[in-house]
Amino acid sequence: EAGVTQFPSHSVIEKGQTVTLRCDPISGHDNLYWYRRVMGKEIKFLLHFVKESKQDESGMPNNRFLAERTGGTYSTLKVQPAELEDSGVYFCASSQGTAWGSTDTQYFGPGTRLTVL
Amino acid sequence: EDKVVQSPLSLVVHEGDTVTLNCSYEVTNFRSLLWYKQEKKAPTFLFMLTSSGIEKKSGRLSSILDKKELFSILNITATQTGDSAIYLCAAYSGAGSYQLTFGKGTKLSVIP
Repeated sequence: EAGVTQFPSHSVIEKGQTVTLRCDPISGHDNLYWYRRVMGKEIKFLLHFVKESKQDESGMPNNRFLAERTGGTYSTLKVQPAELEDSGVYFCASSQGTAWGSTDTQYFGPGTRLTVL
Repeated sequence: EDKVVQSPLSLVVHEGDTVTLNCSYEVTNFRSLLWYKQEKKAPTFLFMLTSSGIEKKSGRLSSILDKKELFSILNITATQTGDSAIYLCAAYSGAGSYQLTFGKGTKLSVIP
């Protein structure tokens, strides 16, 4: 079974440009999450989709970040315009989804390393 | 604010040694704790711990949770160079929340 995949592996852009990251979850997983790790810090939650709906976007840093999951399959995370502090590794994770209030295992992708110059 | 603290941040051992990695947590409405291993790219799942005092085991790795003292340990016996990685601890918290709160990780280096 294929794991979570992310594209691209690495993106280098200039401040003010736009970047779009893509995540393909494990097939059949309703839950999709975005996380970010900036240098020297821990991995931080950004947002959570259940199918195509945003369940929790409390971790999104500001309105320069836009996440979508049209059709409830793959997801994109767009940063526009990018700033220097957006540099980091963006991870996507997915989980199967069980009864509300329970917990299930999140499986992570390899991450996209974003460098903003 | 929810917090997960791992120690040590970095550890160097020789092959064959046994190591213990620590994870303490302060999260609201704690539900479960997860351990991941990150070698190059994707963190790979190791264990999920929900109940106190029940050891989970997989080969040379084992982990246990203490919900009274709010910590977990990950043990690796007879370490091998392939165990070199960053080990991440994360906690599920909050009522109905599916977000994981991570520690900074412990970087383990196993030298021959």
